[in-house]
Amino acid sequence: AQSVAQPEDQVNVAEGNPLTVKCTYSVSGNPYLFWYVQYPNRGLQFLLKYITGDNLVKGSYGFEAEFNKSQTSFHLKKPSALVSDSALYFCAVRDILYNFNKFYFGSGTKLNVKP
Amino acid sequence: EAGVTQSPTHLIKTRGQQATLRCSPISGHTSVYWYQQALGLGLQFLLWYDEGEERNRGNFPPRFSGRQFPNYSSELNVNALELEDSALYLCASSHTTSGYNEQFFGPGTRLTVL
Repeated sequence: AQSVAQPEDQVNVAEGNPLTVKCTYSVSGNPYLFWYVQYPNRGLQFLLKYITGDNLVKGSYGFEAEFNKSQTSFHLKKPSALVSDSALYFCAVRDILYNFNKFYFGSGTKLNVKP
Repeated sequence: EAGVTQSPTHLIKTRGQQATLRCSPISGHTSVYWYQQALGLGLQFLLWYDEGEERNRGNFPPRFSGRQFPNYSSELNVNALELEDSALYLCASSHTTSGYNEQFFGPGTRLTVL
């Protein structure tokens, strides 16, 4: 079965410190992977995606993510966190082999950046 | 470029009633997706429409239905509302059915069932 897991419900980090939000996936074939951010009472905003090529993907607002095929992970990272980064983050995988246009979203990780 | 729009922003219904939610995709996008985001849960895939046809649906009962109009806007209907249908309903659109295109989300409709 295709799925994506975000093992941490919440991540706390001090402003200026690096942050990591974890994501692991299970999918047949090569995965298409995405990260989205959701601010309170808002829809989801696209951050970045991995389709193919370099394992390190750079996205919006200084975020990046590293694709690791052997560990089936796609962790979201930022070198220096801002208070304004506090939000809910979702990892998603697209099932391109069996269910082409179905996105599977993780349960979300709440990021708290404290001043 | 205008983003995905949804209406209404909030909708309050009582159990057993019907709710209709609307979505307008980004201009040029032909695919529309519906998701349910219940409190404390992630996004659950509901429906996918493309070129006016229902292409896929998630694990929801038949009382969740919808359609896509010739201008690619979409409507989600929920019949015989139950208390557990209370959630944020998100609509998303994408440019083509190509797998590498990300989805763009609207702000959502908050449905409350009393």
